[in-house]
Amino acid sequence: GAVVSQHPSWVICKSGTSVKIECRSLDFQATTMFWYRQFPKQSLMLMATSNEGSKATYEQGVEKDKFLINHASLTLSTLTVTSAHPEDSSFYICSARPTGLGNQPQHFGDGTRLSIL
Amino acid sequence: GESVGLHLPTLSVQEGDNSIINCAYSNSASDYFIWYKQESGKGPQFIIDIRSNMDKRQGQRVTVLLNKTVKHLSLQIAATQPGDSAVYFCAEVKGLGFQKLVFGTGTRLLVSP
Repeated sequence: GAVVSQHPSWVICKSGTSVKIECRSLDFQATTMFWYRQFPKQSLMLMATSNEGSKATYEQGVEKDKFLINHASLTLSTLTVTSAHPEDSSFYICSARPTGLGNQPQHFGDGTRLSIL
Repeated sequence: GESVGLHLPTLSVQEGDNSIINCAYSNSASDYFIWYKQESGKGPQFIIDIRSNMDKRQGQRVTVLLNKTVKHLSLQIAATQPGDSAVYFCAEVKGLGFQKLVFGTGTRLLVSP
């Protein structure tokens, strides 16, 4: 149980293209999902917290107009990298926290590797 | 500023040895810590967690120790296997409601047969 699926797993596109990444909780509902970015040989850095039915909360230094987040249902959050440039190339990982009582751990997807040419 | 960091970037061990991965944290107000394992090209996988009111917690082949006095966390893996090779992160949980994670820099564990 508690599977989080990301799609696509790998995308290569030209500079200036907008790219949408999906994060789905397959067997549980998630009011809150998180988006992380991970550069090679570095740790995960939280970009934003996605809340179902409301605006995402972005971490300091993350451009909300650059990284659009939509959390329209309890099982799906999307991250759109708008007008992507080579410096946006990274490994993007989402996680989902099951809705319910108590503190339940986040479950992570297997990431999306984004390469901008 | 606040940070969660690791002492060793790479740890090489022989199969069957016990491994110890260390983590230092700076926010004494944190009340929950998690260890994750990340294999190449995949997302982090939950290993074990510990609350600040505990000193030790054991799982299957893994033990986490928490020393709040020196703000130190460790992950012990018994009888390390080649399948344990991965990058291990400690994470500090901020905000019990939303579980906002702050990840450490990571330690790569290499297990030789």
